[in-house]
Amino acid sequence: QVQLVESGGGVVQPGRSLRLSCAASGFTFSNYGMHWVRQVPGKGLEWVAVISYDGRNEYYADSVKGRLTISRDNLKNTLYLQMNSLRTEDTAVYYCAKDPANDGFHYYFDYWGQGTLVTVSS
Amino acid sequence: DIQMTQSPSSLSASVGDRVTITCRASQSIRTYLNWYQQKPGKAPNLLIYAASSLQSGVPSRFSGSGSGTDFTLTISSLQPEDFATYYCQQSYITPRTFGQGTKVEIK
Repeated sequence: QVQLVESGGGVVQPGRSLRLSCAASGFTFSNYGMHWVRQVPGKGLEWVAVISYDGRNEYYADSVKGRLTISRDNLKNTLYLQMNSLRTEDTAVYYCAKDPANDGFHYYFDYWGQGTLVTVSS
Repeated sequence: DIQMTQSPSSLSASVGDRVTITCRASQSIRTYLNWYQQKPGKAPNLLIYAASSLQSGVPSRFSGSGSGTDFTLTISSLQPEDFATYYCQQSYITPRTFGQGTKVEIK
């Protein structure tokens, strides 16, 4: 069965960096676009970024553009989110999520990881 | 950005009740509308995609309808495991935005 397992969250000071990972299994990872979606605890959901199946195309929410970078390693079946210049408003649970489209994007999310909490605080 | 507005923000219902949640988009999104269920401490779970298509494995008591700007999620007979928060999401234009959520509580 499809499994997505995030790691790398923690407490970090404003302006510092963090890298999240998402290990995928149970499906052919290299065939699907992948997303990051975040949720401030107790609040709603915000789409963050998407990367194409082959890693050639990336798109970002304006709120994170230039600071967060999505990438993937199809040999390791792993998705990443490099988070630089972190701000207090980046505090959230970060979920990786699978796009159901082969070779493209549908921009909805058929499988989600359990999430990893990032807290940005001095 | 397209604003997604859900109503109500919360509701109380009993097991066996028919429940309807609405979602309104600030502009037409055709049928690019999806619904998720989220339980406390868990990730969201896809229920409905493309406004009315039931995701594999989701009980048939869940249904979706609508197009353009107005959409509904209906639970035909509420079960104990359905008490959760429900979110709509548009997948038409970047950024793909979510509604603020509707919390379904036990009456």
